[in-house]
Amino acid sequence: DTAVSQTPKYLVTQMGNDKSIKCEQNLGHDTMYWYKQDSKKFLKIMFSYNNKELIINETVPNRFSPKSPDKAHLNLHINSLELGDSAVYFCASSQDTRWRYGYTFGSGTRLTVV
Amino acid sequence: QKEVEQNSGPLSVPEGAIASLNCTYSDRGSQSFFWYRQYSGKSPELIMSIYSNGDKEDGRFTAQLNKASQYVSLLIRDSQPSDSATYLCAALDNFNKFYFGSGTKLNVKP
Repeated sequence: DTAVSQTPKYLVTQMGNDKSIKCEQNLGHDTMYWYKQDSKKFLKIMFSYNNKELIINETVPNRFSPKSPDKAHLNLHINSLELGDSAVYFCASSQDTRWRYGYTFGSGTRLTVV
Repeated sequence: QKEVEQNSGPLSVPEGAIASLNCTYSDRGSQSFFWYRQYSGKSPELIMSIYSNGDKEDGRFTAQLNKASQYVSLLIRDSQPSDSATYLCAALDNFNKFYFGSGTKLNVKP
C-alpha cells in the first residue's frame, strides 16, 4: 500500500509542451512538498502546502504551478517546458510543517524534455 | 545562502568495515539533521535523524552531531553490499525548510 504515490513515473515530452504530475498521500499528513533533483543529485524545494494552503514558494519560474485540491493531493503543472526542466521531481509529505522526523518521499517522476 | 556540503565520493569500503560519511552545514539556526539513503533510480528514504549534540545509535547506524563545528556524520558499522547507495544529509532550518546536500556515494565491496 503505497504511502506517497506519484504519476507518471516517466515523462518524455517536447519543448514547449504543457504537462502535469500528480501526487497523492494516504498517510494522513497535513503537509506536502514538491522537490526537484537535478543531475548532480541536489534536492531543492519548490513548493510546500499545508492543509491546501501554499506556505513555501521558492524561486521557481512561474511556468510551474502547484495545485492542492485537498490535503492528500498535490499536483504540479508545468507550462512551456524547457530543456532545463529535465530532472527528477519528487513529491513528499510530512505530519506538519514542524515535523522533525523527516519526510516520506514518493517514488519520483523522471521528466525528460527533448 | 544556506548550504549543506558533502563529499560526492565515491567512498569505497570493504564489506564488514565501518563507513564514515560526513557533512557540514552553513546555517547555525538549523536544529534538526537527517540522513537519507537513496538507491540509484529510487526515492530517498529516511534512515536517521538527530537533534542534540553527541551520538545517536540505531542498529548498525550512528549519527553524530557537533553544532559548534556545524558538522554531522553517519557511521555505518559492519557495512554490507546492500548499503551501497547515495547518502543525503539534510538540515531543517528555523523556517521549516529542508536543505539537502548533494550526497555521498558509498560503494561496499564484497
